[in-house]
Amino acid sequence: SQTIHQWPATLVQPVGSPLSLECTVEGTSNPNLYWYRQAAGRGLQLLFYSVGIGQISSEVPQNLSASRPQDRQFILSSKKLLLSDSGFYLCAWSRQAPYGYTFGSGTRLTVV
Amino acid sequence: ELKVEQNPLFLSMQEGKNYTIYCNYSTTSDRLYWYRQDPGKSLESLFVLLSNGAVKQEGRLMASLDTKARLSTLHITAAVHDLSATYFCAVDTMNYGGSQGNLIFGKGTKLSVKP
Repeated sequence: SQTIHQWPATLVQPVGSPLSLECTVEGTSNPNLYWYRQAAGRGLQLLFYSVGIGQISSEVPQNLSASRPQDRQFILSSKKLLLSDSGFYLCAWSRQAPYGYTFGSGTRLTVV
Repeated sequence: ELKVEQNPLFLSMQEGKNYTIYCNYSTTSDRLYWYRQDPGKSLESLFVLLSNGAVKQEGRLMASLDTKARLSTLHITAAVHDLSATYFCAVDTMNYGGSQGNLIFGKGTKLSVKP
């Protein structure tokens, strides 16, 4: 069966510090991978998605970047965090077929 | 631009009552998903609706999809406290037979079921 792992679960970082969040998927190959952010009390916003190694699409201009160094690994990064980067970050994967999207457990990031 | 509107955004119900959450979207799509989110938690998949007229039921929840009206509903029957959570609908931008898409979410409906 397929599983998705996301870490860390919680992170408190000072403004201006770097960020690296990691997401890995097991039990499948060539998944579509996604990063979403949920700001406090708000809906979910797509940040990045990837259909293959090294292929990253960005939905909104921002202080963040994403990379996919391996087929089942998706990394969200920032060189210098802003207060507005605080939120709940969710990684998700889907097959290239209509079987739905599965979300990781999420990372709660607080920038102080 | 695909827009997804959910209503109501807040819903306070008494146990035992019925209610419906509505999800309208602005462009053609034949795939719609419902998720549940408990406070501080990730999204739990409830229903995957993949065609016009699709209806799925799980316990006290039933979801339907009308692609012609661009409307999905989540019906709650005889609500219980354990159903208290935030419910999101999400529309898939992937076209049938395609390989690339993503989810556009509604703003969520925060449901509170009171005794």
